[in-house]
Amino acid sequence: DAMVIQNPRYQVTQFGKPVTLSCSQTLNHNVMYWYQQKSSQAPKLLFHYYDKDFNNEADTPDNFQSRRPNTSFCFLDIRSPGLGDAAMYLCATKGWADTQYFGPGTRLTVL
Amino acid sequence: RKEVEQDPGPFNVPEGATVAFNCTYSNSASQSFFWYRQDCRKEPKLLMSVYSSGNEDGRFTAQLNRASQYISLLIRDSKLSDSATYLCVAYPTRAGSYQLTFGKGTKLSVIP
Repeated sequence: DAMVIQNPRYQVTQFGKPVTLSCSQTLNHNVMYWYQQKSSQAPKLLFHYYDKDFNNEADTPDNFQSRRPNTSFCFLDIRSPGLGDAAMYLCATKGWADTQYFGPGTRLTVL
Repeated sequence: RKEVEQDPGPFNVPEGATVAFNCTYSNSASQSFFWYRQDCRKEPKLLMSVYSSGNEDGRFTAQLNRASQYISLLIRDSKLSDSATYLCVAYPTRAGSYQLTFGKGTKLSVIP
């Protein structure tokens, strides 16, 4: 059974048109992460939540925002997508020991 | 210096070959280490943890050398299904954080 679910799997948006990606987890864990991964690059952490405590990475652009209305759900909002924001967006939660479980990702295309 | 460095490859090996990947990490405070596997256009999935004593899971053997800050993954008897990108991962990114540090990955192609 899927532990981290992301919707949609593929998202196409226009330059500058706001877009929201969603993530849910069935593990009921208090930590959730959002990563951006571009082709042939390592996943790059954008921000993470510990419960409702939001932790933004220093180099995450202001264009990226997040909401976590409850333990299960987390959203990534891109306020004005640019061509450089086209990437795979991965949501994750904490697994056993220090591991992380990733969702299948949302592949974002910006036209 | 990058925090986790890997040879990007690609490594092209015939079926049945043995292949080894290496990784170095710069943060001596890192406590836990992992290899993740990522198939093309899919999410990273945990392959195995890495322990100082070395650990084996079937055809896969992982080793950690804390003194040299060096991690390795050995795959024996390569299968076509082993073709993927292998990500070396260290935890935590810094003391008190919950973050993983990923290398860029080493791409493996196993050829019939």
